[in-house]
Amino acid sequence: EAQVTQNPRYLITVTGKKLTVTCSQNMNHEYMSWYRQDPGLGLRQIYYSMNVEVTDKGDVPEGYKVSRKEKRNFPLILESPSPNQTSLYFCASRLRGLAGAAGNEQFFGPGTRLTVL
Amino acid sequence: RKEVEQDPGPFNVPEGATVAFNCTYSNSASQSFFWYRQDCRKEPKLLMSVYSSGNEDGRFTAQLNRASQYISLLIRDSKLSDSATYLCVVNMAFMNRDDKIIFGKGTRLHILP
Repeated sequence: EAQVTQNPRYLITVTGKKLTVTCSQNMNHEYMSWYRQDPGLGLRQIYYSMNVEVTDKGDVPEGYKVSRKEKRNFPLILESPSPNQTSLYFCASRLRGLAGAAGNEQFFGPGTRLTVL
Repeated sequence: RKEVEQDPGPFNVPEGATVAFNCTYSNSASQSFFWYRQDCRKEPKLLMSVYSSGNEDGRFTAQLNRASQYISLLIRDSKLSDSATYLCVVNMAFMNRDDKIIFGKGTRLHILP
């Protein structure tokens, strides 16, 4: 089954304790993204990657890191989480190239709900 | 003007009614348009793409008006299962990077029995 998986699905942690949220896709997609979703603010892109070893900042990258060592994996790293990073996080993937071209739908993972105390 | 703007709702609509959402976008160079559906605490999923000629999928009809820079979604004969948040999504192309997808904040729809 074609899918994007994220782990963990739920995480409660404390300020300053480094954490990693994993993301993996089995569709051989070049393009992967991380979003956070907050009430009243909608989905905001944190980082994206157009291919292996190519990553770039989205709209809200502060406090986050990513890596893309393999095509299928795109982990999100919070080196020193803070309470303002409490949010619902989504990983997404699609083929590279113009979104909207036939078959180039963006697929989302199930989400990770993070609480930083 | 926000890049993609939607009425947040909520829209409370009786079952069987017809409901319409609009979404406006600011970048006239936007190239692709979509409606996504998001159920509570779940991931967004593509509902339908929006083409210049308009398109229909069962009870759902999407329209694009490039001159006025808005897209619309019409749901006919609404069902309880249509209750969700509907996200307007616009794809913009840039010179020095791949295209960027901009999400609206979503319109909440509640279908009432």
